[in-house]
Amino acid sequence: DGGITQSPKYLFRKEGQNVTLSCEQNLNHDAMYWYRQDPGQGLRLIYYSQIVNDFQKGDIAEGYSVSREKKESFPLTVTSAQKNPTAFYLCASSIGSGGPEGTQYFGPGTRLTVL
Amino acid sequence: AQSVTQPDIHITVSEGASLELRCNYSYGATPYLFWYVQSPGQGLQLLLKYFSGDTLVQGIKGFEAEFKRSQSSFNLRKPSVHWSDAAEYFCAVGASNTDKLIFGTGTRLQVFP
Repeated sequence: DGGITQSPKYLFRKEGQNVTLSCEQNLNHDAMYWYRQDPGQGLRLIYYSQIVNDFQKGDIAEGYSVSREKKESFPLTVTSAQKNPTAFYLCASSIGSGGPEGTQYFGPGTRLTVL
Repeated sequence: AQSVTQPDIHITVSEGASLELRCNYSYGATPYLFWYVQSPGQGLQLLLKYFSGDTLVQGIKGFEAEFKRSQSSFNLRKPSVHWSDAAEYFCAVGASNTDKLIFGTGTRLQVFP
């Protein structure tokens, strides 16, 4: 089955530690996205990548980093510089960027809790 | 500035009743419009999308939405709600000249038996 996988579903980390969230897709999509979701705030874009080896900051990139070394993978690292990292993180992908090809499909999410 | 507004934070309906969730957008270019649904602790699932053509679009799970350019709206409707429709619903807008979607803050739907 084609789709987007995120692992793990739940993640616990101590304050001050970096943590990496995994996102893999086998849809052959060029574009991938990371969102953060907090109650009552909808989705906020962290980073996105339109093509391998290239990515752009979204609206709330501070304290986060990404890489896009392979088309199917777009891992997100939450660094110790992120002031309030506890949240639900969603990964998405689309065929391309903009227009109908920009239709985004989402993974199941990772809930990160920093203790 | 581009924006999407979902005026209703929380809606409660009885099972079998009709449903309309509101979405208004502000966008300079011709918009592409989407509705997504999210069950608790899950990712977002695409319900339907509008790019052009017929302004009434059909989606999955019996949902439909109507694009009204004059009102800058893209409201989601369902004639008869099922208990399994209880979830959070997000409206989103994009365009041909942008590589990002803008999401509304969501409407939480509660269904009473």
